[in-house]
Order: sequence, then C-alpha cells, then structure tokens
Amino acid sequence: EVQLQQSGPEVGRPGSSVKISCKASGYTFTDYVMNWVKQSPGQGLEWIGWIDPEYGSTDYAEKFKKKATLTADTSSNTAYIQLSSLTSEDTATYFCARGDTMGINGYWGQGVMVTVSS
Amino acid sequence: DIVLTQSPALAVSLEQRATISCKTSQNVDNYGISYMHWYQQKPGQQPKLLIYEGSNLASGIPARFSGSGSGTDFTLTIDPVEADDIATYYCQQSKDYPLTFGSGTKLEIK
Repeated sequence: EVQLQQSGPEVGRPGSSVKISCKASGYTFTDYVMNWVKQSPGQGLEWIGWIDPEYGSTDYAEKFKKKATLTADTSSNTAYIQLSSLTSEDTATYFCARGDTMGINGYWGQGVMVTVSS
Repeated sequence: DIVLTQSPALAVSLEQRATISCKTSQNVDNYGISYMHWYQQKPGQQPKLLIYEGSNLASGIPARFSGSGSGTDFTLTIDPVEADDIATYYCQQSKDYPLTFGSGTKLEIK
C-alpha cells in the first residue's frame, strides 16, 4: 500500500525557516517524482514544485523559487520542503503528492499545517 | 501558465446528476491524450484522485464518477449524487509546467 506520511504541524516566526518531511512507503521511492502543493486557508491548490529523488533534480513554480527548497533522502525514502523567510502569506497547509510521468498526483500525504506567528 | 476556470459552487439534489465543468486557457490535449485530471477534497482531508487523463477512473473510485471532454472543455459527472460526495472538486492540467489547478467547485446538496 502506497503511503505518504508527513510530519506534524509547525509554527514559525516571521523571517525564520521551517522544514517539513514526507516519508514514502509501499513503492520504489526513486521511480516517481514528489510534488509539493500549497493550500492557503479556505483557498484552492497551488503547485510549488517537484523533485526527482533519483537524480535530485528539481523544478519550481516561479513564485516559489526563492521561497521553497526541495530535497530528498533516498536512504530513508523521505522528501523534504524547506520554506524560508517566512511571512504571514506562508501560513497554509502543505501537501506532498506522488507524481507520475503524466503529471498525475495519484497519492497524497495528509498535509502539514504551517502557521507563521510571532 | 495555463489557467483553469471552474464555477465556485453547485447545488444538486441527492440521487440526481451533478455536472462540474473545467475550462482551460489553452489546449491540454497532446497526441490523443488529455492531460486533465480531477480530484475530490473533503474538509480537513487531502485531495483524492478521481479521474485521470480526462476520462479514466482511478483505482477504487465508484463508477458513479465519470470524466469527459477534450481540448479546452472538460466535465466531471457524478450520477447519482450521494451524501458522501459532498466535497470540493478540483481539475488539474499537466500538459505544461507549472502544473495548475482550477479554483475548485464546491458540491452542495439542495
């Protein structure tokens, strides 16, 4: 059974950074990319970027290029997203989603709520 | 970026048909494949894949759900609607990066 288990909720101060994890199981981690998606409170879904765990290659949406850093650890089958220079605009739920070659997100993590507050 | 447009909400009666539309700013077909996918999201939960490549039912999804369309106009149909279908439905294109989603259609019961 494919599972994506994300870390717990985070509270970050303005200007700081947070790092969220997404541990994959039930499939070969390096066979799929991992997408990250942002959902602001009461809003829709916004693609942040993807990482190919096999090669470490990444691609980001333009607006997240200076905000997010995607990494992956193949020894632990875990993908990470680090969000830097936090502002209130970063308060949101962040999902990881397994992406295939067609850009289909077939499996999603449960989401991590990030709250930016002083 | 490809923009996807959905109506904000739709109210239907139980056991009736719900038709949710998604229009794209550019053609999302290529070599006969529609790079259009549909997700269901219930409050407090992660999105769930319903339909991929325009009309293919994802594993474990009831046959009450179907997808159709091509080019720039796509439809998700739920027939008949059940109480458990109350959720927000999102379309997503993967023809070009960045991946983009529609703003979501909230399905409500009359």
